[in-house]
Amino acid sequence: GEEVAQTPKHLVRGEGQKAKLYCAPIKGHSYVFWYQQVLKNEFKFLISFQNENVFDETGMPKERFSAKCLPNSPCSLEIQATKLEDSAVYFCASSPSLPDRSTDTQYFGPGTRLTVL
Amino acid sequence: GNSVTQMEGPVTLSEEAFLTINCTYTATGYPSLFWYVQYPGEGLQLLLKATKADDKGSNKGFEATYRKETTSFHLEKGSVQVSDSAVYFCALSPFSGGYNKLIFGAGTRLAVHP
Repeated sequence: GEEVAQTPKHLVRGEGQKAKLYCAPIKGHSYVFWYQQVLKNEFKFLISFQNENVFDETGMPKERFSAKCLPNSPCSLEIQATKLEDSAVYFCASSPSLPDRSTDTQYFGPGTRLTVL
Repeated sequence: GNSVTQMEGPVTLSEEAFLTINCTYTATGYPSLFWYVQYPGEGLQLLLKATKADDKGSNKGFEATYRKETTSFHLEKGSVQVSDSAVYFCALSPFSGGYNKLIFGAGTRLAVHP
């Protein structure tokens, strides 16, 4: 598709439950990113993929967070045993693989709002 | 390390006023710089970008110039409209290529009144 799609739009979980979020990147884009937007608008980078391979996971809290991008499937971000502080909007973005840096851009999806009660 | 600092909001303006939102950055190497806009309840949209020193990005009446000497990328618009009310994020990508993570400033909320 021509837009990054994210599902679900809203997700409510009780503390300790699992949450799974999905992202379909723009067709033909090789790179997928996950960002977390918490209160006061702060964006935090979590992880990125080049196709199905992890490219950069320096922002990922590895104890409870995991992510995958498998061929012919939406990418996913999973949080095991959610905590109150995981409440945030999770954005996915995708980017083409272009040699010309003047055209490189990340395109963002509409986000998934996760509320942990 | 790499970081972005934006002026704190909210910024409240009357319609047709001049807008400046300050953004400064710290980076090693030669980053690309971006302004993204987030309208209420929506995701981020790229507003403009610049990939090298002295480049000017522009879109929808907004402009920003990549100033390496002052490590700044201030956003300006000559005459704002009510529809410009949104949160504006300055961001940098540390290295060339769209495969690099973005580092965002804290965002500046703009409210434009008729």
